[in-house]
Amino acid sequence: KAGVTQTPRYLIKTRGQQVTLSCSPISGHRSVSWYQQTPGQGLQFLFEYFSETQRNKGNFPGRFSGRQFSNSRSEMNVSTLELGDSALYLCASSLAGRTEAFFGQGTRLTVV
Amino acid sequence: DAKTTQPNSMESNEEEPVHLPCNHSTISGTDYIHWYRQLPSQGPEYVIHGLTSNVNNRMASLAIAEDRKSSTLILHRATLRDAAVYYCILLTGTASKLTFGTGTRLQVTL
Repeated sequence: KAGVTQTPRYLIKTRGQQVTLSCSPISGHRSVSWYQQTPGQGLQFLFEYFSETQRNKGNFPGRFSGRQFSNSRSEMNVSTLELGDSALYLCASSLAGRTEAFFGQGTRLTVV
Repeated sequence: DAKTTQPNSMESNEEEPVHLPCNHSTISGTDYIHWYRQLPSQGPEYVIHGLTSNVNNRMASLAIAEDRKSSTLILHRATLRDAAVYYCILLTGTASKLTFGTGTRLQVTL
């Protein structure tokens, strides 16, 4: 069974640009969550989608947004990139009603 | 979310058992205790979870205190591949938002 796939693995963007990251969950998993990991703040929850609806949201500015498609694949978008957005962005999927989350390897975003 | 407290770091010898403690004195009756670990350059990995009774799986055992104010993750025979940051997280019911603390960095030496 394929795991959670995140693309791209690495990305370099310039301040002010926008970026879209993609996440394909494990087949059958309808919940997809996104996390940001930085050395200073650790792992922080961004948002969760379930059946194409945002079910939970962390404490991040509106520049961070996401969506989920009918096949459960999810994308997150960051607009007007700032240097501080440089981080590892992780996606996790889980089965409905189950709490075990399965993480992808992440997308390493560098903003220059 | 209820808070957990873990030691910043621990060391173990390979092939020895490791006991990773977690304090969660403000745990509520509906909070499950979850453990995840993050190996270098990887995303976090689910290890185990429990509510009241001790739990075992192929990766580890989870021992939960009778008053549920603390728990211990037990790796029965540590290997070099177990070197990781271990996170103890409280989760209510089927909630899926994981609140990661700073975790315990486990070093395993030969």
